[in-house]
Order: sequence, then structure tokens, then C-alpha cells
Amino acid sequence: EPEVTQTPSHQVTQMGQEVILRCVPISNHLYFYWYRQILGQKVEFLVSFYNNEISEKSEIFDDQFSVERPDGSNFTLKIRSTKLEDSAMYFCASGGTGSGGYTFGSGTRLTVV
Amino acid sequence: AQKVTQAQTEISVVEKEDVTLDCVYETRDTTYYLFWYKQPPSGELVFLIRRNSFDEQNEISGRYSWNFQKSTSSFNFTITASQVVDSAVYFCALINSNSGYALNFGKGTSLLVTP
Repeated sequence: EPEVTQTPSHQVTQMGQEVILRCVPISNHLYFYWYRQILGQKVEFLVSFYNNEISEKSEIFDDQFSVERPDGSNFTLKIRSTKLEDSAMYFCASGGTGSGGYTFGSGTRLTVV
Repeated sequence: AQKVTQAQTEISVVEKEDVTLDCVYETRDTTYYLFWYKQPPSGELVFLIRRNSFDEQNEISGRYSWNFQKSTSSFNFTITASQVVDSAVYFCALINSNSGYALNFGKGTSLLVTP
């Protein structure tokens, strides 16, 4: 069964450093998303991406965040200057349609120290 | 505005009991989609079901069943004859066409099934 692959599975970074979280969506999917889940809390929407541009973003997704699809297969989330409160599990998801059941990756646990 | 409420924070049952997880949603849209996801202790999010607002038929998949009632804005999930492997956090979520297809999750219900 096709999978969404996220790397790394766990990343530890120092406050103020830039991090790039990587995702390989399912190859024929057109809609891509990033979500985050702070430990013990609900899953929160960050950003959606369609047709090579951001289609929607939440208020969490401020200027510190950016997304890119650099080569037609990868989908990255960059955090420019990490803060302690960015520590969370970050999930990538892709979907063949906008309203379908997305497939989530297994997540990247980001720990900012 | 849209909102998903899962009032049950934690539920504990003994194996083989039936258990129902409640989900109540709010949306102004007439077209929307409801989902259930399972998050086992390993942390991944596993898709369970998608239901659109025009399809109120209940669904059964093995030990799982879903009851969608537009009149009460509820989309409840029942596990019959629960098993230890059902222990997980279960999230209900909503998409409407005005939200850029972003999933709006409830806070989740943590289900613990003990032997």
C-alpha cells in the first residue's frame, strides 16, 4: 500500500536553529498538508499546498514557517528559528482529492532544547 | 466557524465490552466531511472512515460501526467486543469546503482496553 514517508523520525535541535522536515507524499497525490501535535494535545492544521502554492494556512503558520516542493517529489517544512514551543510531532499528509481521506506519514518528533 | 467536540477525554473498558466514542460537530456549511482517525501508542495517525454530509447511512466494518446523525450533529463510533489492540487515542475530524480542506480535529478520546 502506498505510504507517505517522513524523515527524520526524530530531530533534536537547539533553540534558534533552522530545521527542515522532509516528506515524500504518495506519488499521484495532488494535495499536501502539514499538521502538528504538541504532546498530549490535539492535531492542529498548519498549511495546505496545492498546485505548487499554499492554498490555506492557519494562524500558527507564521513567518517562521515555510513550505516547499523542491523537486516534484519531496515536500518540506522549514522552521527558520526554532523556539521551545515548536517542540511537537509534525505530520505530513497527502490526498488525491481535497476532501478525501488523507494518508498521514508516521511523523517527525521535533525536540527544541 | 467549525468545531469538533469529543467530550470523553478518557475511557477505560475491559476486553470484550462494547464502547462508543462520541463526536459532536458544528459547521455552517451544508457540504462537509467527517472522519475518524486512530492514533495508537506508536504515534501514527491511521485513517478509519470518511463520511460526507449527504450520506447518513450508518456503516459497519468488522467490529467497528459509525452512527451519523445530522439532526444531532453527531458522528459516533462504536467498537464491539473491544480488544487490547484497540487501545489508542481516537480523533474525530471535520472538513468543509470553505476551510481549504484542512482537517479540524477534536481533542481526541483516549481508549484503554484492559484484559
